[in-house]
Amino acid sequence: NAGVTQTPKFQVLKTGQSMTLQCAQDMNHEYMSWYRQDPGMGLRLIHYSVGAGITDQGEVPNGYNVSRSTTEDFPLRLLSAAPSQTSVYFCASSYYRGGQGEQFFGPGTRLTVL
Amino acid sequence: RKEVEQDPGPFNVPEGATVAFNCTYSNSASQSFFWYRQDCRKEPKLLMSVYSSGNEDGRFTAQLNRASQYISLLIRDSKLSDSATYLCVVNNGFYGGSQGNLIFGKGTKLSVKP
Repeated sequence: NAGVTQTPKFQVLKTGQSMTLQCAQDMNHEYMSWYRQDPGMGLRLIHYSVGAGITDQGEVPNGYNVSRSTTEDFPLRLLSAAPSQTSVYFCASSYYRGGQGEQFFGPGTRLTVL
Repeated sequence: RKEVEQDPGPFNVPEGATVAFNCTYSNSASQSFFWYRQDCRKEPKLLMSVYSSGNEDGRFTAQLNRASQYISLLIRDSKLSDSATYLCVVNNGFYGGSQGNLIFGKGTKLSVKP
């Protein structure tokens, strides 16, 4: 299994540009999430999905859109990039069965918005 | 009060030392608890879940005190390879209905020196 994959690994955007961060998992997990990690702020949840066709907002959803058309893919779209969106973005997929669960993270996308 | 608080560190210890990480959480209804490890410029990875009765995995021991809303992680006989940031993570909701309720502490950085 490849686990959780993210592309691209690095990206530089200009203010106002849009782009999509890709995330895919091959573990057949129902749950997927997007986080951003900033120095001194810890990981913060942007959006999450509990299954194909179902998404919901996390703590910091403004400026981002998501969709979940398949179990495997959960892309994150930046509508109009702003310098405040400079961050490291992690996608995660997870399972929860019988009282046990674990989140698996992708390697991250380092985004700089100029 | 922040939802999950950790000592920011950093902790600088010699090899072989015992290190204790502490974490407090604010929501008394929190359901489950974890410690994740994050290496520099890498994604977080699950180190261990934390159970009410306490649990041990080799040199690592996790404890939970629900009355005090306090979680701890003890590393005995620390190794150079233990150098990383340790994240305290709390799940505030029933996983199936609110997978997005994983709350991450900001992490405590550990450096183990020879």
